[in-house]
Amino acid sequence: EAQVTQNPRYLITVTGKKLTVTCSQNMNHEYMSWYRQDPGLGLRQIYYSMNVEVTDKGDVPEGYKVSRKEKRNFPLILESPSPNQTSLYFCASSSRQGPTGELFFGEGSRLTVL
Amino acid sequence: GNSVTQMEGPVTLSEEAFLTINCTYTATGYPSLFWYVQYPGEGLQLLLKATKADDKGSNKGFEATYRKETTSFHLEKGSVQVSDSAVYFCALRSRSNDYKLSFGAGTTVTVRA
Repeated sequence: EAQVTQNPRYLITVTGKKLTVTCSQNMNHEYMSWYRQDPGLGLRQIYYSMNVEVTDKGDVPEGYKVSRKEKRNFPLILESPSPNQTSLYFCASSSRQGPTGELFFGEGSRLTVL
Repeated sequence: GNSVTQMEGPVTLSEEAFLTINCTYTATGYPSLFWYVQYPGEGLQLLLKATKADDKGSNKGFEATYRKETTSFHLEKGSVQVSDSAVYFCALRSRSNDYKLSFGAGTTVTVRA
């Protein structure tokens, strides 16, 4: 089954404790992206990757890091989480078929930073 | 840059009512337009899309037409069901913006029996 898998789905942590949210897709997609969803703001892009070893900032990259060492994986790293990073995070992927391609989303990771 | 503006919610309807959610966009070039739906507790899934002017996307009784002259992509359904209760996002994607999917703020729709 084609899917994007995120872990953990739920996490409560404390300020400053480094954490990683993993994302893996099994569709051999070149393009991957992270979004955060906040009430009234819709989804905002954090980082994206056009292919292995190619990453770039989205609209709200501050406080986050990513890496793309393998095609299937695109982890999101919070080196020193702060309460304003409490949010619902989504990983997404698509093939590089231009702007018409559908993005496939993971089920989301709800993060709370105390 | 690219942006999407959609009707603010929440929207509450009775079953079998007509639903319309307005969406307008600003973009350079020729974007593709999408409606995504998020059911409670789930991730986003594609509802329908249109890739060029005058295209009509349709799925599950929902329709939206890509109107370049009014830069709009309004979502409509003639007779909603309780199972249509969800958050609906209008979005666009363009080559000029590195294929980023730019979202509207989302519209929460609740359908009552």
